[in-house]
Amino acid sequence: IQLTQSPSSLSASVGDRVTITCRASQGISSYLAWYQQKPGKAPKLLIYAASTLQSGVPSTFSGSGSGTDFTLTISSLQPEDFATYYCQQLNSYPPTFGQGTKVEIK
Amino acid sequence: QVQLQESGPGLVKPSQTLSLTCTVSGGSISSGGYYWSWIRQHPGKGLEWIGYIYYSGSTYYNPSLKSRVTILVDTSKNQLSLKLSSVTAADTAVYYCARAPVPTGAFDIWGQGTMVTVSS
Repeated sequence: IQLTQSPSSLSASVGDRVTITCRASQGISSYLAWYQQKPGKAPKLLIYAASTLQSGVPSTFSGSGSGTDFTLTISSLQPEDFATYYCQQLNSYPPTFGQGTKVEIK
Repeated sequence: QVQLQESGPGLVKPSQTLSLTCTVSGGSISSGGYYWSWIRQHPGKGLEWIGYIYYSGSTYYNPSLKSRVTILVDTSKNQLSLKLSSVTAADTAVYYCARAPVPTGAFDIWGQGTMVTVSS
């Protein structure tokens, strides 16, 4: 299953609302997760089951969608949120990841 | 708090076998309930899932790598290992081990990663 994220990169300011989209090549129900990765670090799980916030993740992050179209929203971008974000499908093996969306400072 | 730590050679020669170990601390692999995976990331690129093992020893590998991959678990040492044979420069990457709870399948805990370069 291929996952296509858009945009590939974006520039935003602190306090902005940011939305990242992930589209699956076939339906995956709600079996989607979102990760945040900072340079030189391992990815960090933000959201699983499309909309369930991982423990300890700020509520400024939210996820939605089902089937083939999903979104990750950051309601108010914080300085520590500048990173690359990946979606991942868990509907069928092998698990696959999107190509990533880099969120940069405007 | 569960932590994962990868270890192994940072440089492997072409055609040889890449061997890495992931040591789990703060929790027991044999308690069950989790898939233990290897995932890699080519320099500046995205993430590629290599395969997983369950504490019982059952495995599932990415079909794209299946012919070259072996993942083993040593519950007495609380470790999992990765062997990737016949490596080429295309196997140069950061290799991560990660844990996924069986119900969700999402990777909730990751090791810090280890960079492996394939070069003569």
